[in-house]
Amino acid sequence: ETGVTQTPRHLVMGMTNKKSLKCEQHLGHNAMYWYKQSAKKPLELMFVYNFKEQTENNSVPSRFSPECPNSSHLFLHLHTLQPEDSALYLCASSQDRVNQPQHFGDGTRLSIL
Amino acid sequence: TQLLEQSPQFLSIQEGENLTVYCNSSSVFSSLQWYRQEPGEGPVLLVTVVTGGEVKKLKRLTFQFGDARKDSSLHITAAQPGDTGLYLCAGARGQGGKLIFGQGTELSVKP
Repeated sequence: ETGVTQTPRHLVMGMTNKKSLKCEQHLGHNAMYWYKQSAKKPLELMFVYNFKEQTENNSVPSRFSPECPNSSHLFLHLHTLQPEDSALYLCASSQDRVNQPQHFGDGTRLSIL
Repeated sequence: TQLLEQSPQFLSIQEGENLTVYCNSSSVFSSLQWYRQEPGEGPVLLVTVVTGGEVKKLKRLTFQFGDARKDSSLHITAAQPGDTGLYLCAGARGQGGKLIFGQGTELSVKP
């Protein structure tokens, strides 16, 4: 039980499809994050939500759209993605501040055809 | 610009050997975290170091935070195949700053 659950674990989609990634945390945390992990690159922070409010958008293209309906759930809506968007997308949570130790889910492996 | 440089990027050793992974920066961090990520899983926190010069031990793993809080090292004694994974360091800059991750060190320990 990692405390942070991501679904689906794997996703293959075409460039014109619309899909959503889901993240749920059972740790009572107030901050949630989306990261992109590509081979041989550092983890890239995409979005930060603190107490359901988006506090950071790290210059992410608009084809990625986050949604945080409550402190326990986080979504990443995908539309018209590019092949270079293929990566592992990780969700994480922390108690309340962005630089606290983070608890990660196991990620969604996304492949864009 | 890569704020946190990890070295080496790849390391393949035999079971029983010792190794050290380095995490270096020209910036000062208020704290530094180490994570391990196994294939098919997300990163898992190993330790957080906060004080310059601090040393923390976790079984066969020894973590050190540099005196100036700009660098850190992870030393593994008598490595086991179960230590195989991607080791990530992440620095925090102040209470409001986000975590900055290094690019990781991929460790393979062969039996």
